[in-house]
Amino acid sequence: EAQVTQNPRYLITVTGKKLTVTCSQNMNHEYMSWYRQDPGLGLRQIYYSMNVEVTDKGDVPEGYKVSRKEKRNFPLILESPSPNQTSLYFCASKGANYGYTFGSGTRLTVV
Amino acid sequence: SQKIEQNSEALNIQEGKTATLTCNYTNYSPAYLQWYRQDPGRGPVFLLLIRENEKEKRKERLKVTFDTTLKQSLFHITASQPADSATYLCALDLNDYKLSFGAGTTVTVRA
Repeated sequence: EAQVTQNPRYLITVTGKKLTVTCSQNMNHEYMSWYRQDPGLGLRQIYYSMNVEVTDKGDVPEGYKVSRKEKRNFPLILESPSPNQTSLYFCASKGANYGYTFGSGTRLTVV
Repeated sequence: SQKIEQNSEALNIQEGKTATLTCNYTNYSPAYLQWYRQDPGRGPVFLLLIRENEKEKRKERLKVTFDTTLKQSLFHITASQPADSATYLCALDLNDYKLSFGAGTTVTVRA
């Protein structure tokens, strides 16, 4: 089944403790992206990657890092999480038909 | 900057009726526009893409129109069912690397 897989589904962590949210897609898509979704603010792009080793900032990149060493994986790294990064995060990939495939989401709480 | 507006936060309709959602955008001339469905706590699911040279597109009970002069897209769910209850998101793909979303319209279909 074609899909984008994110892990973990839920995560509670403390301020300042580095964490990584993994994202993997099995569709051989070149493009991948991370979004966060907050009430009243909708979906906002954090980072995107056009291909392996090519990444760029989206609208809200502060406090996040990404890497794209392989085509299938696009992890999101929070080096020093803060409470304002509490959010619902989505990874997505885009294929040739331009429709995006989203993962099931990671609900992160930073206390 | 570009702006994407979905005119209603919520729409309540009776089963069997047609739901019509509106998406307006400003300061941009997209080559295509997309619609997604999102269930609570889940990732958006791609429904339809319509290109600037297409006036209308259909998929089963869904119909999308695109008027580039009015800068507006209409999304119709015909013969609505309770299972259609969800939030529907309009999205524009800016420069092929950023999908920007409207705030969404939450549709509730009453049995």
